[in-house]
Parts: sequence; C-alpha cells; structure tokens
Amino acid sequence: NAGVMQNPRHLVRRRGQEARLRCSPMKGHSHVYWYRQLPEEGLKFMVYLQKENIIDESGMPKERFSAEFPKEGPSILRIQQVVRGDSAAYFCASSPLSQGVTNEKLFFGSGTQLSVL
Amino acid sequence: AQSVTQLDSQVPVFEEAPVELRCNYSSSVSVYLFWYVQYPNQGLQLLLKYLSGSTLVKGINGFEAEFNKSQTSFHLRKPSVHISDTAEYFCAVRSLLGGYQKVTFGTGTKLQVIP
Repeated sequence: NAGVMQNPRHLVRRRGQEARLRCSPMKGHSHVYWYRQLPEEGLKFMVYLQKENIIDESGMPKERFSAEFPKEGPSILRIQQVVRGDSAAYFCASSPLSQGVTNEKLFFGSGTQLSVL
Repeated sequence: AQSVTQLDSQVPVFEEAPVELRCNYSSSVSVYLFWYVQYPNQGLQLLLKYLSGSTLVKGINGFEAEFNKSQTSFHLRKPSVHISDTAEYFCAVRSLLGGYQKVTFGTGTKLQVIP
C-alpha cells in the first residue's frame, strides 16, 4: 500500500507563473489536508477537502490559491501568479476518517518544495 | 478555537543526554495529542499519540510523552538521545470542531544532537 504521494518534489517557478501541486492520498483515504511550511513558522493549515468538497479553507489566502479533490485523480493545490513569498514546502496529508468517527492518524506525503525566482 | 505552543524553536543537547521538548495547547473541547518528527527533506512521521487512558504514552525510537490536563501540556522526552534523533519535532492537537476533526500544529522544535 503506497503512502501519500506528492509531486513534484521540487518545483521552480518565475514570478507570475502558475504552480500546480499534486497529492495522491493513500488508497482508501477520502480526506485530504494541505499544509504550508514556512521557515521558522512551522506547519500552517491551509485547506481540508473530501472528495469533490471543500470542507474547511480557512487557512487559504483569499486570492490566487485554490484547491480541489475530484472524484477521480489526485488533489490539486493551485497557486496562480506566484510571488516570492509563496516559496515554501507544501505538505499533503490524508486520512480515512469519516465525519463523526475518530481516527488518530494522518499520513503525510514528503512534500513539494516550491521555489519562486 | 485551538492552538499549540512550542516555546523552544531550537534545542541543542549532547549525545546520550536526556532531552525534553515542551508543548502546551489550548482548546475549548477535548483533544487528542500527537508528536510528529520531520527529518531533513522528508515528510512528517508520527512519533506517538495520546487518545485516552494512561497519561504516559510511549512511542517509537525511545520517545515518550506525558499528558497533563491541568497544565494543558504534552511534553516529549527521551532519556538518552542519539545523533540520529537530530530532526524537527512538531506537537499537534486534534479535536472535533464544526463537525469534523481539525488538526493544529505547533511551530516546531529543532533538536540538534551534539556528538
């Protein structure tokens, strides 16, 4: 059973370009979380998605950032018109939990390091 | 709302010495508590978790943590560290908020083991 897969591992973009980060959750997991890790700031929650639904996007910047988790395929975190401040490591985690059912573990991917030149 | 505080951003310690990494949390509801470790250029791995029962929990690699409800703390300890323990450690709380499980991480503590 493969773990959470994120690609690419490293992504370099110039200012103004678009960045698309992909996350394939573990088999059987229908819940995906995205986190951003900035130097000296730890992990910051961005968005929580279930298949075809955004449950909580309270950590997402209001502009340029969007996320989706379609019925088929990976979850995508999309950053339009990137700026230097978007440079960070972006981690995805998945969980099999269902609403109201406690699950004690998130499974993390290895992250995508985004560098904006 | 919930939050996690890791006051120590960096902790240097000599090899084979004991170490304690501090974690305090706040939440308006019952929480589950976790410690994760991140090795360089890798994702997060679960070290240990507290869900219920005994307040002293043991995890992988010889780490343990104690849940103290009155002090809202979940400090991580190891009696004797190894060079391979050099990594960043994140404390996290998970609770049921708004009908779903929400996880909040601390800012991390970098453990540097000195030979």
